[in-house]
Amino acid sequence: EAQVTQNPRYLITVTGKKLTVTCSQNMNHEYMSWYRQDPGLGLRQIYYSMNVEVTDKGDVPEGYKVSRKEKRNFPLILESPSPNQTSLYFCASGGRDTQYFGPGTRLTVL
Amino acid sequence: GQNIDQPTEMTATEGAIVQINCTYQTSGFNGLFWYQQHAGEAPTFLSYNVLDGLEEKGRFSAFLSRSKGYSYLLLKELQMKDSASYLCALWRDKIIFGKGTRLHILP
Repeated sequence: EAQVTQNPRYLITVTGKKLTVTCSQNMNHEYMSWYRQDPGLGLRQIYYSMNVEVTDKGDVPEGYKVSRKEKRNFPLILESPSPNQTSLYFCASGGRDTQYFGPGTRLTVL
Repeated sequence: GQNIDQPTEMTATEGAIVQINCTYQTSGFNGLFWYQQHAGEAPTFLSYNVLDGLEEKGRFSAFLSRSKGYSYLLLKELQMKDSASYLCALWRDKIIFGKGTRLHILP
Protein backbone atom coordinates (compact mmCIF):
# COMPACT_ATOMS: atom_id res chain seq x y z
CA GLU A 1 0.00 0.00 0.00
CA ALA A 2 1.35 3.43 -1.00
CA GLN A 3 1.78 5.52 2.10
CA VAL A 4 3.64 8.12 4.09
CA THR A 5 4.30 7.18 7.70
CA GLN A 6 5.29 9.42 10.58
CA ASN A 7 6.41 8.60 14.09
CA PRO A 8 5.55 9.37 16.77
CA ARG A 9 1.92 10.38 16.24
CA TYR A 10 1.78 12.20 19.56
CA LEU A 11 4.60 13.61 21.64
CA ILE A 12 4.73 15.71 24.79
CA THR A 13 8.18 16.97 25.69
CA VAL A 14 9.95 19.72 27.60
CA THR A 15 11.80 22.79 26.44
CA GLY A 16 15.32 22.07 25.23
CA LYS A 17 15.10 18.29 24.93
CA LYS A 18 16.18 17.30 21.43
CA LEU A 19 13.70 15.26 19.45
CA THR A 20 13.34 13.69 16.01
CA VAL A 21 10.14 13.01 14.11
CA THR A 22 10.62 10.36 11.45
CA CYS A 23 8.98 10.31 8.05
CA SER A 24 9.12 7.51 5.51
CA GLN A 25 7.48 6.96 2.11
CA ASN A 26 7.29 3.86 -0.07
CA MET A 27 6.37 5.51 -3.38
CA ASN A 28 9.92 6.31 -4.59
CA HIS A 29 9.05 10.02 -4.61
CA GLU A 30 11.85 12.52 -5.04
CA TYR A 31 10.06 15.46 -3.41
CA MET A 32 9.47 15.38 0.35
CA SER A 33 8.55 18.15 2.74
CA TRP A 34 7.56 19.04 6.28
CA TYR A 35 4.72 21.35 7.33
CA ARG A 36 3.33 22.70 10.52
CA GLN A 37 -0.32 23.57 10.92
CA ASP A 38 -1.52 26.11 13.45
CA PRO A 39 -5.02 27.56 13.98
CA GLY A 40 -5.52 30.70 11.94
CA LEU A 41 -2.20 30.29 10.13
CA GLY A 42 -2.89 27.27 7.97
CA LEU A 43 -0.25 24.90 6.64
CA ARG A 44 3.24 26.35 6.43
CA GLN A 45 6.18 24.59 4.84
CA ILE A 46 9.21 24.14 7.10
CA TYR A 47 11.71 22.40 4.81
CA TYR A 48 11.56 20.55 1.55
CA SER A 49 13.84 18.19 -0.34
CA MET A 50 13.91 17.69 -4.07
CA ASN A 51 16.12 14.61 -3.89
CA VAL A 52 18.71 12.77 -1.78
CA GLU A 53 21.17 15.18 -0.14
CA VAL A 54 19.23 18.21 -1.47
CA THR A 55 17.27 20.18 1.12
CA ASP A 56 15.94 23.75 1.16
CA LYS A 57 14.21 26.07 3.56
CA GLY A 58 10.50 26.60 3.35
CA ASP A 59 8.70 29.52 4.92
CA VAL A 60 9.29 28.73 8.61
CA PRO A 61 12.62 26.86 8.96
CA GLU A 62 13.89 28.52 12.16
CA GLY A 63 14.43 26.03 14.97
CA TYR A 64 14.28 22.97 12.71
CA LYS A 65 16.74 20.77 10.85
CA VAL A 66 16.23 18.03 8.30
CA SER A 67 18.33 15.48 6.48
CA ARG A 68 17.80 13.37 3.35
CA LYS A 69 20.34 10.60 3.33
CA GLU A 70 18.02 8.11 1.65
CA LYS A 71 15.20 8.68 -0.79
CA ARG A 72 12.52 7.15 1.41
CA ASN A 73 13.31 8.95 4.70
CA PHE A 74 13.12 12.62 5.66
CA PRO A 75 13.41 13.13 9.44
CA LEU A 76 12.59 16.43 11.14
CA ILE A 77 14.91 17.38 14.00
CA LEU A 78 14.22 19.88 16.74
CA GLU A 79 17.57 20.46 18.45
CA SER A 80 16.18 22.58 21.28
CA PRO A 81 12.39 22.64 21.18
CA SER A 82 10.54 25.64 22.54
CA PRO A 83 6.83 26.10 23.41
CA ASN A 84 6.21 28.05 20.18
CA GLN A 85 6.95 24.83 18.29
CA THR A 86 3.86 23.23 19.78
CA SER A 87 1.91 22.36 16.65
CA LEU A 88 0.55 19.68 14.35
CA TYR A 89 3.25 18.51 11.96
CA PHE A 90 2.76 16.82 8.61
CA CYS A 91 5.26 15.13 6.36
CA ALA A 92 4.44 14.81 2.66
CA SER A 93 5.95 13.23 -0.43
CA GLY A 94 5.11 13.81 -4.04
CA GLY A 95 5.73 13.21 -7.69
CA ARG A 96 5.26 15.64 -10.60
CA ASP A 97 1.58 16.24 -10.06
CA THR A 98 0.54 15.07 -6.64
CA GLN A 99 1.51 15.11 -3.00
CA TYR A 100 0.54 12.67 -0.27
CA PHE A 101 0.50 13.57 3.39
CA GLY A 102 1.39 11.47 6.39
CA PRO A 103 -1.11 11.15 9.25
CA GLY A 104 0.43 13.95 11.32
CA THR A 105 2.36 14.31 14.57
CA ARG A 106 0.86 16.36 17.36
CA LEU A 107 3.73 17.88 19.34
CA THR A 108 3.41 19.68 22.65
CA VAL A 109 6.44 21.43 24.12
CA LEU A 110 6.08 22.37 27.78
CA GLY B 1 5.46 37.25 -2.64
CA GLN B 2 2.90 34.55 -3.10
CA ASN B 3 -0.22 35.72 -1.26
CA ILE B 4 -3.03 33.22 -1.61
CA ASP B 5 -6.54 34.25 -0.64
CA GLN B 6 -9.54 32.02 0.00
CA PRO B 7 -12.81 32.76 1.78
CA THR B 8 -12.61 31.69 5.41
CA GLU B 9 -15.98 29.93 5.56
CA MET B 10 -18.82 28.96 3.26
CA THR B 11 -22.16 27.24 3.78
CA ALA B 12 -24.11 25.21 1.25
CA THR B 13 -27.00 22.77 1.19
CA GLU B 14 -26.84 19.03 0.63
CA GLY B 15 -27.37 18.21 -3.05
CA ALA B 16 -26.40 21.70 -4.22
CA ILE B 17 -23.31 23.02 -6.04
CA VAL B 18 -20.67 25.22 -4.43
CA GLN B 19 -17.68 27.08 -5.87
CA ILE B 20 -14.68 27.81 -3.67
CA ASN B 21 -12.42 30.52 -5.05
CA CYS B 22 -8.68 30.97 -4.67
CA THR B 23 -6.83 34.08 -5.83
CA TYR B 24 -3.10 34.58 -5.75
CA GLN B 25 -0.32 37.01 -6.58
CA THR B 26 2.89 35.37 -7.74
CA SER B 27 5.52 35.75 -10.39
CA GLY B 28 5.35 32.15 -11.48
CA PHE B 29 4.60 28.62 -10.38
CA ASN B 30 4.57 25.04 -11.65
CA GLY B 31 0.99 24.21 -10.77
CA LEU B 32 -1.86 24.67 -8.32
CA PHE B 33 -3.15 22.06 -5.89
CA TRP B 34 -6.50 21.60 -4.19
CA TYR B 35 -6.74 19.50 -1.03
CA GLN B 36 -9.55 18.43 1.26
CA GLN B 37 -8.92 18.27 4.99
CA HIS B 38 -11.36 16.92 7.56
CA ALA B 39 -10.91 18.18 11.10
CA GLY B 40 -8.02 16.44 12.86
CA GLU B 41 -6.95 14.55 9.75
CA ALA B 42 -4.26 14.91 7.09
CA PRO B 43 -5.01 16.77 3.85
CA THR B 44 -6.00 14.52 0.95
CA PHE B 45 -5.18 15.34 -2.64
CA LEU B 46 -8.04 16.44 -4.90
CA SER B 47 -6.48 17.98 -8.00
CA TYR B 48 -3.42 19.54 -9.57
CA ASN B 49 -3.74 22.06 -12.41
CA VAL B 50 -0.83 23.05 -14.59
CA LEU B 51 -2.61 24.42 -17.65
CA ASP B 52 -5.47 26.89 -17.81
CA GLY B 53 -8.88 25.34 -17.95
CA LEU B 54 -11.17 22.98 -16.12
CA GLU B 55 -10.15 19.52 -14.86
CA GLU B 56 -13.05 17.31 -13.85
CA LYS B 57 -12.84 14.37 -11.46
CA GLY B 58 -16.23 12.99 -10.62
CA ARG B 59 -18.18 15.42 -8.44
CA PHE B 60 -15.16 17.71 -8.09
CA SER B 61 -13.75 20.03 -10.77
CA ALA B 62 -10.86 22.48 -10.56
CA PHE B 63 -10.36 25.50 -12.79
CA LEU B 64 -7.22 27.58 -13.31
CA SER B 65 -6.63 30.90 -15.07
CA ARG B 66 -2.99 31.94 -14.82
CA SER B 67 -3.59 35.29 -16.51
CA LYS B 68 -6.28 36.21 -13.97
CA GLY B 69 -4.44 34.79 -10.94
CA TYR B 70 -7.50 32.75 -10.11
CA SER B 71 -8.60 29.20 -9.45
CA TYR B 72 -11.76 27.63 -8.18
CA LEU B 73 -12.90 24.26 -6.92
CA LEU B 74 -16.41 23.25 -7.92
CA LEU B 75 -18.21 20.64 -5.83
CA LYS B 76 -21.43 19.19 -7.26
CA GLU B 77 -24.18 17.10 -5.65
CA LEU B 78 -22.94 18.02 -2.21
CA GLN B 79 -22.97 15.35 0.47
CA MET B 80 -22.71 15.74 4.22
CA LYS B 81 -19.26 14.10 4.12
CA ASP B 82 -18.04 17.06 2.01
CA SER B 83 -18.07 19.17 5.17
CA ALA B 84 -14.36 19.90 5.49
CA SER B 85 -11.71 22.52 4.84
CA TYR B 86 -10.52 23.00 1.28
CA LEU B 87 -6.97 24.16 0.74
CA CYS B 88 -5.49 25.82 -2.32
CA ALA B 89 -1.69 25.66 -2.77
CA LEU B 90 0.89 26.85 -5.28
CA TRP B 91 3.95 24.78 -6.16
CA ARG B 92 7.11 26.40 -7.35
CA ASP B 93 10.00 24.80 -5.49
CA LYS B 94 8.34 25.63 -2.21
CA ILE B 95 4.69 24.84 -1.75
CA ILE B 96 2.62 27.70 -0.35
CA PHE B 97 -0.85 27.03 1.05
CA GLY B 98 -3.78 29.35 1.45
CA LYS B 99 -5.39 29.34 4.88
CA GLY B 100 -8.23 27.19 3.66
CA THR B 101 -11.98 27.49 3.32
CA ARG B 102 -14.15 25.73 5.88
CA LEU B 103 -17.23 24.38 4.10
CA HIS B 104 -20.37 23.65 6.11
CA ILE B 105 -23.06 21.48 4.53
CA LEU B 106 -26.63 21.86 5.77
CA PRO B 107 -29.17 19.02 5.40
